[in-house]
Amino acid sequence: GAVVSQHPSRVICKSGTSVKIECRSLDFQATTMFWYRQFPKQSLMLMATSNEGSKATYEQGVEKDKFLINHASLTLSTLTVTSAHPEDSSFYICSARETPWTGIDTEAFFGQGTRLTVV
Amino acid sequence: AQKVTQAQTEISVVEKEDVTLDCVYETRDTTYYLFWYKQPPSGELVFLIRRNSFDEQNEISGRYSWNFQKSTSSFNFTITASQVVDSAVYFCALSEANSGNTPLVFGKGTRLSVIA
Repeated sequence: GAVVSQHPSRVICKSGTSVKIECRSLDFQATTMFWYRQFPKQSLMLMATSNEGSKATYEQGVEKDKFLINHASLTLSTLTVTSAHPEDSSFYICSARETPWTGIDTEAFFGQGTRLTVV
Repeated sequence: AQKVTQAQTEISVVEKEDVTLDCVYETRDTTYYLFWYKQPPSGELVFLIRRNSFDEQNEISGRYSWNFQKSTSSFNFTITASQVVDSAVYFCALSEANSGNTPLVFGKGTRLSVIA
């Protein structure tokens, strides 16, 4: 089946630095990818929708200048946490849906997630 | 607006007991998908099932079974003869079914602890 690969799985960075997280669809093209954030013992909350070749759409309350999303190809979306602070420490997970010939999306695939710790 | 409610925050059972995780959803769409995922401590989401809104048949997969009832907007998940390895957080999720890509809306999750 289709696979979404996310890298790195775990990162520790110093406060004020930037961190880039990659999300790749390995055997299908994803014109749209989604980025979620999960704080400890909480649910997955959609942060933004990443669209290939155009600007990402951010959910209310998510700072677009802090969480930069680039979707430059049909198989790669990146999330950059700029000037990270301890409150940005969280589990970030990407997702892509494979749209078959029917044009109606069905499958939803998730990356392995990235655990970000800002110290 | 879409919403998924998992009223049980935490459940603890003794091994070999059966356990049912509840999921109630809200949507104005007539066509939608429902999902269940398992999230072990590693964090990775493990896909369990996807059900579209036109298929109300219950499903059984080994020790797992799902009961989809449109009349009550519920999609409950039952684990029979629970095992310690079933301990995890379980998420129910919902998405529209459109031509185009749509995200999943997740419930808050139910943390299941199976005690030996």
